[in-house]
Amino acid sequence: AQSVTQPDIHITVSEGASLELRCNYSYGATPYLFWYVQSPGQGLQLLLKYFSGDTLVQGIKGFEAEFKRSQSSFNLRKPSVHWSDAAEYFCAVGAVDSNYQLIWGAGTKLIIKP
Amino acid sequence: NAGVTQTPKFRVLKTGQSMTLLCAQDMNHEYMYWYRQDPGMGLRLIHYSVGEGTTAKGEVPDGYNVSRLKKQNFLLGLESAAPSQTSVYFCASTGGVSGANVLTFGAGSRLTVL
Repeated sequence: AQSVTQPDIHITVSEGASLELRCNYSYGATPYLFWYVQSPGQGLQLLLKYFSGDTLVQGIKGFEAEFKRSQSSFNLRKPSVHWSDAAEYFCAVGAVDSNYQLIWGAGTKLIIKP
Repeated sequence: NAGVTQTPKFRVLKTGQSMTLLCAQDMNHEYMYWYRQDPGMGLRLIHYSVGEGTTAKGEVPDGYNVSRLKKQNFLLGLESAAPSQTSVYFCASTGGVSGANVLTFGAGSRLTVL
C-alpha cells in the first residue's frame, strides 16, 4: 500500500541549531515528493518539491531536502533554524498519473526553544 | 491576487444540520480538492474534481457531497452533520500543467459539530 511516514510527531530544536525532519515513503511508481509547511491557523505552503534530476533540492526559507531512492526517504533539512520556523511540516508523495492526488504524512510539529 | 478562498472560516453546527463550504480560486486551475485535517492524521482527501462538471471520490467521501458547476468554484456539502465531521477542511487547487502538481491551499474552514 502507498504510504508516507513521518516518524517524529514533535521535534524541539534550539534557535540557531540545525534541523532534520524525516520522511519515508512507500510508492510503486516513480514518486514526486513534496514538503509543505503549515503555520498556526494557516493553510499549507509549498516549501520544496522533487520531480527529477538533482536529488538535493533547495526550497524557500533556507530549507533543502535530499531524495534517497535506496532508502525511500526525502528528509528536510535546515542548517540554522529561526523562531519563525515553528510550524507543522508535512511530507507528501504523488505521481503525474494520479489526477495529482497526493498521499500525505501525518506531519511533524517543530517547536523552537529560545 | 486572492488564490484560493474558503468560506466560512468557522462554523458550529448541531448534529443533523446541513451546510455548504465554498471554495473559490482565481487561478483558472482545472483540478480542485477538498481535504480534511485531523490531529495526527495528516490530510485526507474527501472529494476532488478534474474539471468543471466533474467530481470524484477520494479517501473519505462518506457523509459529504460536492459540486463543480463553475470552474472556479468547488462546493463541499454536509447533508446531515455528525460529530465525527468535526475537523478543519482545506480546499486546494492545481493547474496540473506538465505534471507539476503543486497545490495551492486555502486558509481552511474549522467546523465543529455538537
